[in-house]
Amino acid sequence: DGGITQSPKYLFRKEGQNVTLSCEQNLNHDAMYWYRQDPGQGLRLIYYSQIVNDFQKGDIAEGYSVSREKKESFPLTVTSAQKNPTAFYLCASSTTGQETQYFGPGTRLLVL
Amino acid sequence: GQQLNQSPQSMFIQEGEDVSMNCTSSSIFNTWLWYKQDPGEGPVLLIALYKAGELTSNGRLTAQFGITRKDSFLNISASIPSDVGIYFCAGQPFPRTEKLVFGKGTKLTVNP
Repeated sequence: DGGITQSPKYLFRKEGQNVTLSCEQNLNHDAMYWYRQDPGQGLRLIYYSQIVNDFQKGDIAEGYSVSREKKESFPLTVTSAQKNPTAFYLCASSTTGQETQYFGPGTRLLVL
Repeated sequence: GQQLNQSPQSMFIQEGEDVSMNCTSSSIFNTWLWYKQDPGEGPVLLIALYKAGELTSNGRLTAQFGITRKDSFLNISASIPSDVGIYFCAGQPFPRTEKLVFGKGTKLTVNP
């Protein structure tokens, strides 16, 4: 089945620790996105990538980093510099030139 | 930046009732998208609208792209308990950017 997978479903972070969230898609989409969702808020864009080996900061990139070494994969690292990381993280993808984005199932990050 | 005003914030209805929600903006949009999100899951695309005035249905769901290009509405007819969830609108602003703008969601509760 074609789609977007995110892992893990739940992730726990200790103080000062970096953690990496996985996002994989087999839709052959060029563009991939990372969003953060907090209760009662709209989705906020962290990073996006339109093509392999290139990515752009979104509205709330501080404390996060990404890589795009393969078309199918767009991992997000939440660094220790992100002081309020507890949130639901969503990955999405789309065909370049098409605005319609498709979302993965999400990863909930909790701080111990 | 551009914002989408989505209303109502929440709705409590009886099973079988029709539902209407909308998104408005002070800016023109090229594309309107409607998503549904269940608790702890990623948003699922319901309807995509690409032309002003376009009216599109998906089962009991109907959405329209406003003639002014500054609004869109989503109707759900004959609601059932599984319609419960949060409904988000999203838009691609004009002139075109790589980013979508999201509404904050309408939380729908259906009483059996």
